[in-house]
Amino acid sequence: DAKTTQPPSMDCAEGRAANLPCNHSTISGNEYVYWYRQIHSQGPQYIIHGLKNNETNEMASLIITEDRKSSTLILPHATLRDTAVYYCIVRVYNNNDMRFGAGTRLTVKP
Amino acid sequence: DADVTQTPRNRITKTGKRIMLECSQTKGHDRMYWYRQDPGLGLRLIYYSFDVKDINKGEISDGYSVSRQAQAKFSLSLESAIPNQTALYFCATSDLPSGEETQYFGPGTRLLVL
Repeated sequence: DAKTTQPPSMDCAEGRAANLPCNHSTISGNEYVYWYRQIHSQGPQYIIHGLKNNETNEMASLIITEDRKSSTLILPHATLRDTAVYYCIVRVYNNNDMRFGAGTRLTVKP
Repeated sequence: DADVTQTPRNRITKTGKRIMLECSQTKGHDRMYWYRQDPGLGLRLIYYSFDVKDINKGEISDGYSVSRQAQAKFSLSLESAIPNQTALYFCATSDLPSGEETQYFGPGTRLLVL
């Protein structure tokens, strides 16, 4: 049973912000929200993670709703190289089991 | 990420053959993982190891075995390959620098079992 729900695909214009949503309505208090992406068939790449506060790093921002039942990954200025499958994962801290769902296929268009 | 390498990158084998996929890392991480990915699907965990004396089964360990030869090396074996083991295999490593673990993945091994 999936812990997260993501749209199967999204498009974004190059240079614009890409906002990728994720629903995790059954998230537990000790579960973090992680985002990874996979370009073509390369190994997944870590993007960002958070518990309840909004987070920002050099790649993206993560906005988590106050009730923690959903989150949004924001790529502020999408480029063609950001075209990939983006995975939203919830997991307990220090839990080895990283459950990847089907993710969202983001296509950045010129 | 060149810090995690996998060999071979591509492999074609026949049903019933024994094969080994190897993973090496220079990140100095204690934790290592093996995943498989089938077309259009996410990754599924096969085995994981928290240190050289620790081996644990993941979600789909049947038909696979592993060996943790050293902190930096973690091998996955298919004792008798079958066609439904055709998949993309990823190795990953992780550590706990601040208590919030992230995983770093290798480039993958594409395996075809005929």
